[in-house]
Amino acid sequence: DVKVTQSSRYLVKRTGEKVFLECVQDMDHENMFWYRQDPGLGLRLIYFSYDVKMKEKGDIPEGYSVSREKKERFSLILESASTNQTSMYLCASSPRTGGLNEKLFFGSGTQLSVL
Amino acid sequence: GENVEQHPSTLSVQEGDSAVIKCTYSDSASNYFPWYKQELGKRPQLIIDIRSNVGEKKDQRIAVTLNKTAKHFSLHITETQPEDSAVYFCAAFNTGFQKLVFGTGTRLLVSP
Repeated sequence: DVKVTQSSRYLVKRTGEKVFLECVQDMDHENMFWYRQDPGLGLRLIYFSYDVKMKEKGDIPEGYSVSREKKERFSLILESASTNQTSMYLCASSPRTGGLNEKLFFGSGTQLSVL
Repeated sequence: GENVEQHPSTLSVQEGDSAVIKCTYSDSASNYFPWYKQELGKRPQLIIDIRSNVGEKKDQRIAVTLNKTAKHFSLHITETQPEDSAVYFCAAFNTGFQKLVFGTGTRLLVSP
């Protein structure tokens, strides 16, 4: 069975802290994504990666960075957490099939609260 | 870039009724349109998808229709059941930017 695992289900951090959100997939997928989910705003893409050590900005990259040192692991980094980064963060992966990024498999999400 | 609008934001139906959720997209280059279902407290899961060379696709009680000319697509759920209650997201894949753009979601509530 397909599995995308996010390291924490709930996380509480202080303003200014450096925060690491970890995501691991066991499907040998090339593509990995970080989204944030906010009520009324849907899923917004923060960063994505098509390969190891490769990263591309999504629609809302400000205040975030990512790291992909291994194919199965994609980390989201909040360099200095702020209260407006309180949100549900969803990691996803997908196979590179025919050049299309389709059939995203999502993790269970990390609910981050920044106080 | 691509912009996807989704309506309605909330939808309440009685068990057994049909439900329709509509989405429009802006970029005519988009060619893949999936729908994701997210039950309360769970991860989004793909329930059906359609490509731009197809006008309609069915899978049991759910169907998706696509009108490329008007740039809109819809999810149809027939004979709704309480377990259909969830948030549904449409999305459009933009080949230029190589990424999915999601709609804002529709919360469907099916009452027994």
